[in-house]
Amino acid sequence: AQSVTQLGSHVSVSEGALVLLRCNYSSSVPPYLFWYVQYPNKGLQLLLKYTSAATLVKGINGFEAEFKKSETSFHLTKPSAHMSDAAEYFCAVSDQLTGGGNKLTFGTGTQLKVEL
Amino acid sequence: KAGVTQTPRYLIKTRGQQVTLSCSPISGHRSVSWYQQTPGQGLQFLFEYFSETQRNKGNFPGRFSGRQFSNSRSEMNVSTLELGDSALYLCASSLTSQVGELFFGEGSRLTVL
Repeated sequence: AQSVTQLGSHVSVSEGALVLLRCNYSSSVPPYLFWYVQYPNKGLQLLLKYTSAATLVKGINGFEAEFKKSETSFHLTKPSAHMSDAAEYFCAVSDQLTGGGNKLTFGTGTQLKVEL
Repeated sequence: KAGVTQTPRYLIKTRGQQVTLSCSPISGHRSVSWYQQTPGQGLQFLFEYFSETQRNKGNFPGRFSGRQFSNSRSEMNVSTLELGDSALYLCASSLTSQVGELFFGEGSRLTVL
């Protein structure tokens, strides 16, 4: 089964600083990978997705992620953090092996705190 | 375009009761998936329906069931509630059952006493 591991359940950055949220995947075949964001008391919102096209994926709100097969990683970055980025971020992998495109396996999440 | 609508947003039940949660997907979306979110287990896939057929099912007991109607609206039911069923239940819709680009509702928060 495919899985993702998010390193660091809590990350704190200063406003204007680089945001780096880490995600490593486990899969025997190239997966589809996603980053979702969840604001308090809200559902999840798709930030970006990797579907085996370009390895550098740009998403909404200035976020991007790079798929690195050699490192089995899909880390999320943003050059300059904003207070409004404070939220919980989830990495997810799609189970394409058994045709389960919408059956996502999520990581445990990383709570991002942005300080003044 | 209206987003994914889940009702009710909050509910409290007691052990042994049953509950039905409703989800209206984005207009035109034919796939509806359900996820359970808890502090201990995180986000876990329950099941997915596409064109009224269950396409995938997660590792949950038979007390958890769902269905989808011809207008793509979906319901999930949990019978014989247990304390551990307390969670945020999230519904997500998608145009197809491919690629996993999901649009989530705000969830139904169930508390079991």
